Amino acid sequence: AQTVTQSQPEMSVQEAETVTLSCTYDTSENNYYLFWYKQPPSRQMILVIRQEAYKQQNATENRFSVNFQKAAKSFSLKISDSQLGDTAMYFCAFMKASKLTFGTGTRLQVTL
Amino acid sequence: EADIYQTPRYLVIGTGKKITLECSQTMGHDKMYWYQQDPGMELHLIHYSYGVNSTEKGDLSSESTVSRIRTEHFPLTLESARPSHTSQYLCASSYRGSSYNEQFFGPGTRLTVL
Repeated sequence: AQTVTQSQPEMSVQEAETVTLSCTYDTSENNYYLFWYKQPPSRQMILVIRQEAYKQQNATENRFSVNFQKAAKSFSLKISDSQLGDTAMYFCAFMKASKLTFGTGTRLQVTL
Repeated sequence: EADIYQTPRYLVIGTGKKITLECSQTMGHDKMYWYQQDPGMELHLIHYSYGVNSTEKGDLSSESTVSRIRTEHFPLTLESARPSHTSQYLCASSYRGSSYNEQFFGPGTRLTVL
């Protein structure tokens, strides 16, 4: 079975600064997908960024980028130029055979 | 936001009542999922379906049941609600043809059983 660990329950960052959220996972699989999902307060869960395990190149989506280290089983999310709208719970997730396993989440607060 | 809907959004109900949580999607997705999420915690998969008349139990044991009679509809039923069922229930869907199998989530139903 897969496990996903997010070791930072809460983080805070000032507007316009950069923050990195950590995620590690454990699996014996070689081909899989990794995701970061964002869940704003009382709003729908949405996908932030995804990474295929077979790709060495780190995924980027505008202000969001990942540092994927397959050998270390690490998948961190970097948010650049943080905005107030980035305030949310962030979940790291592992996918194999269409089934997602989530981490416990990191609550990110962006402050003025 | 994705075209996946859940009703009701909030439900407060007494112990022993039968409840059905509705989930519908208009994207033609073949795969659908139910997750249970306690406040501030991770999501746990409780049911999934890969198509009409196909349902499977997820990683977290649940007393709820599901059905998939139509592609777009995936309701979850609790025959006799108990306080231990108090939680948030999230529905999701994905398309088999997508290389990423990205799951799109509904807004959730927050259930409180008194």
